[in-house]
Amino acid sequence: QQQVKQSPQSLIVQKGGISIINCAYENTAFDYFPWYQQFPGKGPALLIAIRPDVSEKKEGRFTISFNKSAKQFSLHIMDSQPGDSATYFCAASILGNQFYFGTGTSLTVIP
Amino acid sequence: DVKVTQSSRYLVKRTGEKVFLECVQDMDHENMFWYRQDPGLGLRLIYFSYDVKMKEKGDIPEGYSVSREKKERFSLILESASTNQTSMYLCASSFRTANTEAFFGQGTRLTVV
Repeated sequence: QQQVKQSPQSLIVQKGGISIINCAYENTAFDYFPWYQQFPGKGPALLIAIRPDVSEKKEGRFTISFNKSAKQFSLHIMDSQPGDSATYFCAASILGNQFYFGTGTSLTVIP
Repeated sequence: DVKVTQSSRYLVKRTGEKVFLECVQDMDHENMFWYRQDPGLGLRLIYFSYDVKMKEKGDIPEGYSVSREKKERFSLILESASTNQTSMYLCASSFRTANTEAFFGQGTRLTVV
C-alpha cells in the first residue's frame, strides 16, 4: 500500500517553463513533507520541505503548495532549467521515525 | 559537512552469497534506514533502527537482516543473495524528532548474478 502517491511518473518541460509535480497522502499523522532531488548516480538530497500548518513555502524557484483538507501537496519549479533535470521524490514523515516516499518523477527540461 | 557514507558504490555478487552493505553516519543521528530503489517503485523501506541494537521491519524485509552495534553504523545483510535483489540500496539517517529531514548516502548498486 503506497502511503504517498505521486504523479506524473515523467515530465518534459521547455526551458523557462513551470514544472508541477503532485503528491497525495492519507495518514493525517504525517508532520513533515520534504521533497528530494536525485541526480543519476547520487543519493537523494533534500530540496525543500513544509510542515502541515503552512499552506505554501517558497525557496528561490521552488515552491511547495500544501492543501491540508485535500491531503495533497505539490512542487512547482518556476523558470525550469536544464540543470533541474533529475528525479524528484515527495515524502512524508512522522517525528522523523519513518519516511514514506512517492514513486518519483523523472523531470527533463529541454533547452 | 554532514555525511552518510556507504562502503561500496558498486558490488557484483553471485547467487547464494552472503552480502554485507555497510553504512556510517557522522551526525549523531538516532535513526538509520535502509531503502531499496527500483525504477517505477520509488524508495521502499527495508529496515530501520531508532537506537543501537534496535531494529524495525519496513515494507520489504524478506531476505534481509540488519545489524546496529554502534550508533553511527548500520549494516544490511543479504543472507543468501538472489537475482531479484539486484537493485540500488540507499542508506539514510535522521534525528528522532519532528520536522527533520533524512540524509542519504550515495547508494550501492548491487548486481547479483
